[in-house]
Amino acid sequence: ETGVTQTPRHLVMGMTNKKSLKCEQHLGHNAMYWYKQSAKKPLELMFVYNFKEQTENNSVPSRFSPECPNSSHLFLHLHTLQPEDSALYLCASSQGGISEKLFFGSGTQLSVL
Amino acid sequence: DAKTTQPPSMDCAEGRAANLPCNHSTISGNEYVYWYRQIHSQGPQYIIHGLKNNETNEMASLIITEDRKSSTLILPHATLRDTAVYYCIVRVAVGNTPLVFGKGTRLSVIA
Repeated sequence: ETGVTQTPRHLVMGMTNKKSLKCEQHLGHNAMYWYKQSAKKPLELMFVYNFKEQTENNSVPSRFSPECPNSSHLFLHLHTLQPEDSALYLCASSQGGISEKLFFGSGTQLSVL
Repeated sequence: DAKTTQPPSMDCAEGRAANLPCNHSTISGNEYVYWYRQIHSQGPQYIIHGLKNNETNEMASLIITEDRKSSTLILPHATLRDTAVYYCIVRVAVGNTPLVFGKGTRLSVIA
């Protein structure tokens, strides 16, 4: 148990669907991150929020839309995804802003049909 | 562009020490070495980090060469639960640069 909870654990969606991934951290951290891990590829940083402000968007397509309403919650809204977007989406948080010591959730395994 | 080089895979017998190497020949003076691991179907887990001195905690030891161009993560008594992908990352200790993960080393601990 890392203190970072992601839901749902698994998600199957069609290319025309709209869905959202949720991340919640109970650690009092101020920075939250979305990473994407495709099969047999390294983790790719997608977005970073520091004190609720987005500080990094790593050239992510607009069909991925993050939302950070407060320092404890992070969402990733998905719409009109492609099959190549199928991956494990991981949320992480860190203390006192952007830090090298990240706490990760277990991820959402997304399949786009 | 990768700042670290790791072997893609390694095997280790259960109960023996696992020594995972990492080359970071272009490391800067203000960059730390971090190690994470990712057990299958889970998020990565922080293990240890260091600047130039050797470090030890309850999980592992980190040995950094004097010229800081390479390091070794040591799991003193590997168990089957240590089977995972191990990532070596270099990053400045201050500032707002997020961690960037490479491909890591897949360690298989064999009974």
